[in-house]
Amino acid sequence: DIQMTQSPSTLSASVGDRVNITCRASQDISSWLAWYQQKPGKAPKLLIYKASSLQRGVPSRFSGSGSGTEFTLTISSLQPDDSATYYCQQYKSYALTFGGGAKVEIK
Amino acid sequence: EVQLVESGGGLIQPGGSLRLSCAASGFTVRSNYMSWVRQAPGKGLEWVSAIYSGGNIQYGESVKGRFTVSSDSSRNTLYLQMNSLRAEDTAVYYCARSRSTTEGHAFDIWGQGTMVTVSS
Repeated sequence: DIQMTQSPSTLSASVGDRVNITCRASQDISSWLAWYQQKPGKAPKLLIYKASSLQRGVPSRFSGSGSGTEFTLTISSLQPDDSATYYCQQYKSYALTFGGGAKVEIK
Repeated sequence: EVQLVESGGGLIQPGGSLRLSCAASGFTVRSNYMSWVRQAPGKGLEWVSAIYSGGNIQYGESVKGRFTVSSDSSRNTLYLQMNSLRAEDTAVYYCARSRSTTEGHAFDIWGQGTMVTVSS
């Protein structure tokens, strides 16, 4: 299976800060990567698909970049509502696999 | 409105069986790739199984041989039959729809989840 490794696992930032979360794949997954946001007690929400395509209805402060084995989710200006855990997921091949998550806290 | 609603979770003893349901509205289950994804308490997300058009089926290694995914087009519902349940199967189980049948499994629609607890 393809292993997905996220970093950092937790981060604390202030409103308005630029935040980057990294996701590394154990092998080349081209651009077959999605990013999700999950708040406590809720289902995940798709933010980004195909590494850099913004899902309809998602604020433009979220963006994704990368290809191959290294990917980044960027929040350009952190908002209070962005406090959540973020997961990457590869869909290059079965078994579909997720990263361990990155918890974003607001200072 | 496009939505998924899971049901069927509960408390079950180790070795027991349970069937989860996921009722879809606003789209047709059989025309989409559908998956089950689970999340153990306080842990990350784990993909469990996927099905497309009733015949193209995949399972994660941890559930292969114990879980069976199926769909009923007349009810527009996805199912997960879980047998030989273990304590490590304890999780919230989500059903999810892949946003595309040609561009892989990014999940754009998720249900609210149903909790399965395996304990004596």
